[in-house]
Amino acid sequence: SQKIEQNSEALNIQEGKTATLTCNYTNYSPAYLQWYRQDPGRGPVFLLLIRENEKEKRKERLKVTFDTTLKQSLFHITASQPADSATYLCARGDTGFQKLVFGTGTRLLVSP
Amino acid sequence: EAQVTQNPRYLITVTGKKLTVTCSQNMNHEYMSWYRQDPGLGLRQIYYSMNVEVTDKGDVPEGYKVSRKEKRNFPLILESPSPNQTSLYFCASSLTPRGARSHQPQHFGDGTRLSIL
Repeated sequence: SQKIEQNSEALNIQEGKTATLTCNYTNYSPAYLQWYRQDPGRGPVFLLLIRENEKEKRKERLKVTFDTTLKQSLFHITASQPADSATYLCARGDTGFQKLVFGTGTRLLVSP
Repeated sequence: EAQVTQNPRYLITVTGKKLTVTCSQNMNHEYMSWYRQDPGLGLRQIYYSMNVEVTDKGDVPEGYKVSRKEKRNFPLILESPSPNQTSLYFCASSLTPRGARSHQPQHFGDGTRLSIL
């Protein structure tokens, strides 16, 4: 079965630094990867999508990369702020399959 | 405002007492899905529906039922709840994830925390 692995340990960084979260996948490359943000007591909120044939995608302070050789996606938040503190979920999607496979998420804590 | 609404948000009940968690979306989405989220296991899909009257099992369907009589509603039914169904449940919707549009992002409700004693 396809798996998504994210670091279960929380990532603690200082305000203003760049946060980098890792998402590793197994077996064949997914058609795309999606990143979501989840705040306590709330449902996940979609942030970014990157397709297999894209190396990098940006949206404001967010950047996602897709490395099919390393079987890995990196999620970067530049100039991080305390308001960026949340759990970030990575999910893989495959063409022809009507579901996303989610990782367990990585909690990010940005301190002032 | 575009949203997915789940009710109730919290429920404590006892083993064997049938319950229904409702889910409604106002975005005219064809695709709807139910997930459960457990510590260390992440989000796991229970059932999904590609459109009205079309439903299918996800990864963990045992002990659950769903129905899709209307496009906007997708209730989750626990006919005889057991303690191992204690979890945080999320409903999600999207445009149909098929073919060239298979990458559709999903819109999630804010969750229903179920405790089965």
